Amino acid sequence: AQKITQTQPGMFVQEKEAVTLDCTYDTSDPSYGLFWYKQPSSGEMIFLIYQGSYDQQNATEGRYSLNFQKARKSANLVISASQLGDSAMYFCAMREGGSEKLVFGKGTKLTVNP
Amino acid sequence: GAVVSQHPSRVICKSGTSVKIECRSLDFQATTMFWYRQFPKQSLMLMATSNEGSKATYEQGVEKDKFLINHASLTLSTLTVTSAHPEDSSFYICSARRGGGTDTQYFGPGTRLTVL
Repeated sequence: AQKITQTQPGMFVQEKEAVTLDCTYDTSDPSYGLFWYKQPSSGEMIFLIYQGSYDQQNATEGRYSLNFQKARKSANLVISASQLGDSAMYFCAMREGGSEKLVFGKGTKLTVNP
Repeated sequence: GAVVSQHPSRVICKSGTSVKIECRSLDFQATTMFWYRQFPKQSLMLMATSNEGSKATYEQGVEKDKFLINHASLTLSTLTVTSAHPEDSSFYICSARRGGGTDTQYFGPGTRLTVL
């Protein structure tokens, strides 16, 4: 079974609008961390935001926020006020408590239209 | 955020030659580094976990004699693709784990390898 599921292969959003990228995860470990990375066409992976399984509040970093719904095992990324430079692939990833490894989803390609 | 460099960014080589890729953490010490491979329009596939001063741990299906990893210091790990063949052409990307806090992995900019 997939540990990280990103059901949206592609998403489109108008500049200045908000967009939500979906991510669901599967783990039986009570301790885990969830990450979102952005990969522009240049290829580099840029860390955006982190949510720990025991964190009481949803993580926020500037225009990025993570809608963490633990019971539903979802960790959706919300980008507010989209900019043209936000066009990229976005990957959700999870690290389970006892592991050093990150498990990645298949990614969502976001296109911001002017 | 933390800075990880990778060199070279792009390399073209002939079949049968070996290629070395360097991964450096520039502003922190990384006891653990990771090497990934990414095919076009696909996600990252973990190849191996590199620990400073010890042998790398390879994922199932990754040939350790083909992909040699050396983590010589707390800031440098190298991946050598030995006797490269066209099927080894891919995007190779490393990450370095910054301990403490969120224990985040920071990624290098990647190396695009083309084997002719």
